This record gives sequence, structure tokens and C-alpha cells, in this order.
Amino acid sequence: QVQLQQSGPGLVKASQTLSLTCAIAGDSVSTINGAWHWIRQSPSRGLEWLGRTYYNSKKWVYDYGGSVKSRITINPDTSKNQFSLHLNSVSPEDTAIYYCARTHSRGWSWYNGMDVWGQGTTVTVSS
Amino acid sequence: DIVMTQSSLSLPVTPGEPASISCRSSQSLLHGNGNTYLDWYLQKPGQSPQLLIYLVSNRASGVPDRFSGSGSGTDFTLQISRVEAEDVGVYYCMQALQTPLTFGGGTKVEIK
Repeated sequence: QVQLQQSGPGLVKASQTLSLTCAIAGDSVSTINGAWHWIRQSPSRGLEWLGRTYYNSKKWVYDYGGSVKSRITINPDTSKNQFSLHLNSVSPEDTAIYYCARTHSRGWSWYNGMDVWGQGTTVTVSS
Repeated sequence: DIVMTQSSLSLPVTPGEPASISCRSSQSLLHGNGNTYLDWYLQKPGQSPQLLIYLVSNRASGVPDRFSGSGSGTDFTLQISRVEAEDVGVYYCMQALQTPLTFGGGTKVEIK
């Protein structure tokens, strides 16, 4: 059974960098059968996909969402079997619950949905 | 970006009765491989979202068969044949055809 365990601070000051980690149990961050996502949820934006990373053809692929594209980095860490989110220059608008998640898929060959989610981390950005 | 629209914000339901939730996408979610990349998720109070349905009509592991999905192109429906008390929460559709992945605004199912 695959599980995702999130960790990181719940309070970040404006203009600083928000950093969260998602530790993977029961799967590998470098699997060819999935992708690793960060999603956030706030009353004003609803569920907002932030980005993903996956390993394909011996290289890492990164896709980022438009609203945070210039400020986001997702890093896989094969030595610790985890991936992280870094969002710089945060403002109070980045206050949200942040989730990591896995899609179980292999390219366009097969897709089984976003089947595993982390427990969520509430992050408040103070001004 | 593909815009996902769920027209109903709230859906009061009676236990034992059927329920239906609709979702519309701003463009077709059909890929050239023949799959349509539309998922349904349920977020129960205080929990993370959980996968119910993927590729329009495939139930995720452990999902009761009272849940079913249908639709094509840009119009999709999630149906609950007989609502149970444990089905309360917010239901979201999500498109996985292209990045950025996008979610509908959610439909809150509550017991009458």
C-alpha cells in the first residue's frame, strides 16, 4: 500500500520560501509508472494544481502550473525516496492547505487516476 | 487552460435515493489514444480528496459499485445509485488531459 507523508512548517513569512516535503512509502519516486504532484486548496482558489515531476526516458520531467510557474520548484530526492515543493516570494495569497499526490500511470499507455494523497499541510503566510 | 465547471454548488440528498452530479469541460477531454481524461474525487470533511472514478467510468479500488461515471467529450456525470450517510462531502471533477491539471469548483453533497 502506497502512502505519502508530508512534512514542513505551517507558518512562513511573506517574501520567504515555502518548503514542504512528501516522503513516499510503498513506491519509488523514480518509478516509470507514476507522477508526483503538488496541489493546494484555499477558499478563494479551490483545488489548484501546482506542478508535477516524473521520471521518463532516463530523465526527470517537470511541469508547473501557470499561476506559480515563475516561483515554483519541485525536486525529487532518490536517496530519501521523497519529493519536495519550494515556492519562493510567498505572499498571504499563498495561504492554503498543500497536498502531495501520485498519479498512477505510464505516459499515455495507461492511467489509473490520482490515487494516493498526502494528509495535507496547512500553510499560513504572515505579512 | 481547460476550465472545469460544476453547475451545482450544493446537492441535498435523501439517504437511499439516487443522486447525480454534473461536470462540464471547456474543451473535449478525449485523447488520440481513445481515452477521455476525466476523474472524480470525493473530499470528506476534514480529509484529503480521494479518487472515486478515473477515465470517466472506471471505479477506483475499493469504491462501492453504487458510484458510477458516464459522459463523453465535454459533458460528464457522476451518479450515486443509493446515497448513504457516509457519502457526504464535496465532489470534484478533474481533467488530466493536459497541464495544468484543473479541477471543478466542487459540489457539496449533504443529507436532507
